[in-house]
Amino acid sequence: SQTIHQWPATLVQPVGSPLSLECTVEGTSNPNLYWYRQAAGRGLQLLFYSVGIGQISSEVPQNLSASRPQDRQFILSSKKLLLSDSGFYLCAWRIPPGEQYFGPGTRLTVT
Amino acid sequence: GQQLNQSPQSMFIQEGEDVSMNCTSSSIFNTWLWYKQEPGEGPVLLIALYKAGELTSNGRLTAQFGITRKDSFLNISASIPSDVGIYFCAGPPYSGAGSYQLTFGKGTKLSVIP
Repeated sequence: SQTIHQWPATLVQPVGSPLSLECTVEGTSNPNLYWYRQAAGRGLQLLFYSVGIGQISSEVPQNLSASRPQDRQFILSSKKLLLSDSGFYLCAWRIPPGEQYFGPGTRLTVT
Repeated sequence: GQQLNQSPQSMFIQEGEDVSMNCTSSSIFNTWLWYKQEPGEGPVLLIALYKAGELTSNGRLTAQFGITRKDSFLNISASIPSDVGIYFCAGPPYSGAGSYQLTFGKGTKLSVIP
C-alpha cells in the first residue's frame, strides 16, 4: 500500500532563516506531487506541483521554492523565511486520473 | 480558473442529527472527491465519485455525483462528536486530456454539540 510521509511535523523558525520541508511517498511510482499551504485551518492553496523528476510548476509567486530530486521525494524550501510563511504545509500525491492523498502536514511558525 | 462553491461554510448541529452539505461548479467535473480534515492533520479521502448520478456510501456517509456533473452533495446521518472537522469537496475539471490539478472547495466546518 502507498504511504506518504512529511517531516518535520512541527517547526518554529525565526524570520530570515532558511527552510527545508521534506515529503516522501512509498508504494507507488511516478506520482504527481503537490505542495499546499493552509492558513487559519481553512482553504488549501496550491503552491507547487510536479509531474516528474526535476519538473516543477509554481502556482503562486512567493518566497518559496520546490525541488524533486527523486521520483518519490518532494522538497519545499526557502532561503529567508517571512512571517507570512507561517502556516500548515501539506504534501500530496496523485496518479491521474485517480484520487489524491495527503500527508500528515507540517505546522510552520515563523517568529 | 475553476471554482467550487461549497456550502454551508459552517454548521453547528446536535449530536444525532443528519448533516447535508453540497458543492457546485460552473464547469463540468469528471470526478468528485470528498475529504475530511481534523485539526492538525492532513485531509483524509472519504468518498470518490466517478459517474454522473452515482450514489456511494461509506458507513454513515453518503455522497452523490450530480446528473449535470456540476454538483455533488455529502450527507452524514446520525452525527456523532467525532464527525467534527472540515469537509472539502474537490475534483479535476474536465479537460479532455485530464488534469494535473484538483480544484478544492473552501470547506464546510462542522461542529457537533453533544
